[in-house]
Amino acid sequence: LAKTTQPISMDSYEGQEVNITCSHNNIATNDYITWYQQFPSQGPRFIIQGYKTKVTNEVASLFIPADRKSSTLSLPRVSLSDTAVYYCLVGDRSNDYKLSFGAGTTVTVRA
Amino acid sequence: DGGITQSPKYLFRKEGQNVTLSCEQNLNHDAMYWYRQDPGQGLRLIYYSQIVNDFQKGDIAEGYSVSREKKESFPLTVTSAQKNPTAFYLCASSIRSIRGHDQPQHFGDGTRLSIL
Repeated sequence: LAKTTQPISMDSYEGQEVNITCSHNNIATNDYITWYQQFPSQGPRFIIQGYKTKVTNEVASLFIPADRKSSTLSLPRVSLSDTAVYYCLVGDRSNDYKLSFGAGTTVTVRA
Repeated sequence: DGGITQSPKYLFRKEGQNVTLSCEQNLNHDAMYWYRQDPGQGLRLIYYSQIVNDFQKGDIAEGYSVSREKKESFPLTVTSAQKNPTAFYLCASSIRSIRGHDQPQHFGDGTRLSIL
């Protein structure tokens, strides 16, 4: 099974860049890497998805090295409202539609 | 606006009762999912459905049942056989994909179930 490992928590301050690295050593050839954000008492929200190299959208960037065994979510200039749990997911072809949401990374942004 | 609606937001159950959680989507998505989240933990998959009249067990299906009679609806029943039902339940939907996981999931805002 494709499995991901990410830090349990990270602290930052407003205006800083936050980088969360996710390890996925067993990623399969056709797997995508997807990141979600979750606020308390809400459902997760899709942030970004990538397959290789770099993907950027209006809220984040995703860096994926050539071997694809890890990925880094970059949140530029965070604000207090970016305090949330961030999940890294890798598609699991052996289990069809089953995706594993681990415990995620709790990012706390302080003033 | 398109989205996923879960109701009710809070639900209380007496011991031995079955309860049904509602999930409706107007995104025209084929695939729908139910997850359970316990405090401080990630999401665990209960059931998922790729198409109407078809569904599969996830990792923790015991004590739960679902139906998928309409594309828009995927209700979850928490039966009395589920011994520890207190949790936050999340419903999601996505475009159906051959690979199954390259289409982002759209989530509702959840139902919090508690035992009286």
